[in-house]
Amino acid sequence: DAGITQSPRHKVTETGTPVTLRCHQTENHRYMYWYRQDPGHGLRLIHYSYGVKDTDKGEVSDGYSVSRSKTEDFLLTLESATSSQTSVYFCAIRRGQGTYEQYFGPGTRLTVT
Amino acid sequence: AQSVTQPDIHITVSEGASLELRCNYSYGATPYLFWYVQSPGQGLQLLLKYFSGDTLVQGIKGFEAEFKRSQSSFNLRKPSVHWSDAAEYFCAVGADNYGQNFVFGPGTRLSVLP
Repeated sequence: DAGITQSPRHKVTETGTPVTLRCHQTENHRYMYWYRQDPGHGLRLIHYSYGVKDTDKGEVSDGYSVSRSKTEDFLLTLESATSSQTSVYFCAIRRGQGTYEQYFGPGTRLTVT
Repeated sequence: AQSVTQPDIHITVSEGASLELRCNYSYGATPYLFWYVQSPGQGLQLLLKYFSGDTLVQGIKGFEAEFKRSQSSFNLRKPSVHWSDAAEYFCAVGADNYGQNFVFGPGTRLSVLP
């Protein structure tokens, strides 16, 4: 258990509405990640953070923004949700330099209607 | 850029049979390699990892994987499958300090027959 929680766990929203997903960790790890999981694609990196206020884009960042104002929280925002953003979103942490494995939260299932 | 392929989308084995899940990667240097398992409706759990050293690595739940540089492969094996092993399995490769190039394969779904 890596002490990662995600909220909400399920959300249904309408096209065009803003949505914010929260990832919270209890172990003060520096590196945090947001992925989306879609059938046939595995997990794809959306954004990542390597410290407070330090973030960068991943493979599928279009339509998403992130913020990290505290070590423990990493927020993913869909400014104007689209149906193509219906997915399962996972947050992950990496436990420190010299280690490369990532540990994942339970996921958030987002449906955009 | 890295890439990972898992040639088998779905595999079915009988309980007690041996298992091998295939993973091939593309990366110019020595990669860091991982296998994760995901049970339905759950997050991903790390099974095992390879960074360097012994090319045969042991993981949790009786799984092992072998890194073969000449074949760019990191196949996952288990000598005797249990019904509880039914899940989706993901191979991943990571290759930099921040881990932002942590690339996952598309996954292999394992079904276990009683």
